[in-house]
Amino acid sequence: GAVVSQHPSWVICKSGTSVKIECRSLDFQATTMFWYRQFPKQSLMLMATSNEGSKATYEQGVEKDKFLINHASLTLSTLTVTSAHPEDSSFYICSVAGTTYNEQFFGPGTRLTVL
Amino acid sequence: DAKTTQPNSMESNEEEPVHLPCNHSTISGTDYIHWYRQLPSQGPEYVIHGLTSNVNNRMASLAIAEDRKSSTLILHRATLRDAAVYYCILNQYGGSQGNLIFGKGTKLSVKP
Repeated sequence: GAVVSQHPSWVICKSGTSVKIECRSLDFQATTMFWYRQFPKQSLMLMATSNEGSKATYEQGVEKDKFLINHASLTLSTLTVTSAHPEDSSFYICSVAGTTYNEQFFGPGTRLTVL
Repeated sequence: DAKTTQPNSMESNEEEPVHLPCNHSTISGTDYIHWYRQLPSQGPEYVIHGLTSNVNNRMASLAIAEDRKSSTLILHRATLRDAAVYYCILNQYGGSQGNLIFGKGTKLSVKP
């Protein structure tokens, strides 16, 4: 399967600032990547689907102007949390779509804490 | 996507087999059964998937009922590193990629 990395692994920022999270597919050309969010003691929730070279598709209830997604190459997708607030504190996880059975390969996650 | 039902938690002793059940009574003919697990503070990890026949890989075995309305993930010898939340997810082959709908999963505890 694909090896997926995320950077940073954790970040602490002040309220009102913007934070960029990178998701890289190290050994696989990823046409499609996904961004999930996981609050403490809850399950993962899909935020958006990122397709290389096109606009991301956001799930209902996810503000596209707040969570900016860029998928400029087959190995990199970025999620920028703009004007972050404490309620945006969460574990953000990206994944890469496999080719055959719709399996996904997940990154290690980025823990965002907004003070 | 069809819904799955799993027990909230299970316990196992180290080096004993573990059978993690999943009910999916509304599964459609084109749904694959996927299992992922998530260790604490990590992203989910793919474990195994199947359609109709039982499947084995280096991590686990997947036993699928003949009517496909339930399945069981089998860890043959649990280790402490297998303590994780295990998710059973249905995903359509050839359908739109993504839409892995994660339920609450089963939290597996392994006792030494």
